[in-house]
Parts: sequence; structure tokens; C-alpha cells
Amino acid sequence: AQSVTQLGSHVSVSEGALVLLRCNYSSSVPPYLFWYVQYPNQGLQLLLKYTSAATLVKGINGFEAEFKKSETSFHLTKPSAHMSDAAEYFCAVSVGSYQKVTFGTGTKLQVIP
Amino acid sequence: EAGVAQSPRYKIIEKRQSVAFWCNPISGHATLYWYQQILGQGPKLLIQFQNNGVVDDSQLPKDRFSAERLKGVDSTLKIQPAKLEDSAVYLCASSLDFRGETQYFGPGTRLLVL
Repeated sequence: AQSVTQLGSHVSVSEGALVLLRCNYSSSVPPYLFWYVQYPNQGLQLLLKYTSAATLVKGINGFEAEFKKSETSFHLTKPSAHMSDAAEYFCAVSVGSYQKVTFGTGTKLQVIP
Repeated sequence: EAGVAQSPRYKIIEKRQSVAFWCNPISGHATLYWYQQILGQGPKLLIQFQNNGVVDDSQLPKDRFSAERLKGVDSTLKIQPAKLEDSAVYLCASSLDFRGETQYFGPGTRLLVL
């Protein structure tokens, strides 16, 4: 069965600093990988996804993630944090005939002015 | 393009009562998902429909939860009877298909069971 581990339930960065949110996955077959963002009292919104094409994936709002098979990782980065980036971020993996999606426990990002 | 619609947005009930949630996916989306998100956790898939057929309900507590998508469009999730531990946000999502397609989420229904 597939699983996702997000290291750090809370991450704080200063405005303008690098954002790095960590995600490691476990899967016996090549997975699809996703990062979603959730703002308070809202549903989730896709930031980016990896579907076996380029290993460096660029998403919305300046975020990107790199698929590293040898490290089973899919970390999310952004060069410069904005106040509007404060939200909860979920990494997810999908595998199998019907691509069942399994989410991580989430990382809350705080951006300090 | 209209997004995924859910109603109600909030619901408070007492334990052992029943409750139903409604979801209308984006037009043309074949795959519909119901997730349960407990406070402080990631969403957990309850059930996945492909058109009007169920393709995964392995994590649905079938003794109390049921869901249907009769015409392959909108869907209803029911809990009967509710327990305290059912307090959560219930998210509906849809996608064009299931093969790595983006899931579009509704705003969710926040359920509190007293």
C-alpha cells in the first residue's frame, strides 16, 4: 500500500526566505505525486503534480517540486515566501488501477513579516 | 466554469441522528470522491465513483455510512446513526478521469456531532 510522510507539521519562514516543505512517499510501483494547498475554511487546490514526465515540476504561485526516485522524495520549494503563502500544504500519492489518492498529514506554513 | 458545489456548509447534530451531504461535481467529470478530513489530519478517501459505479469504498464504514451517485452526476453521502468521532469536514472532489487527473475540491461540509 502507498503512503506519504510529511516531515514537520508546522514550518515558519520569514517573508522573502526560501520555503522548503518535505514529503517522502512509499510505493511499490511508479506513483503519481501531488501537492495541494488548503486555505482556512476552504477546499484543497492543486499546486502541482508529477505524472512520470519531467522530474522537476513547476506549479502555480512560484512553487516547484522535484521527484527524486532514489530518495523517494517530492519536496516542495519556493525561492521567496510571501505572506499570502500562509496555508496548509498536503502532499499526496496515487497508485493502482483507479489511482486511489493517499494524503499526508499536512504541513502548516507560517510566514513571518 | 462552475466549481464543485457542496451543501450544507455546516451541520450540527446530536449523536445517533442521521445526516446527509450533497455534492454536485464539475460538469463532465466522470470521477467523484468523498473524503473525510478530521481536524489536524489529511483527507481520507471514503469512496470513489467512476460515473455511477463504485471503484473504491474500502475505507467507508459501511455499517453507518452510505453514498450514491445514481445518474453519474451529483452524489449524496449519508451517515446513520452519527457518532461523536464522525465530527469532521467532508470534502467532495471531482476529476475528468482518475488517471493522474487533477482533483477539484468543493468547500466542504463541516459536521459537528454532539
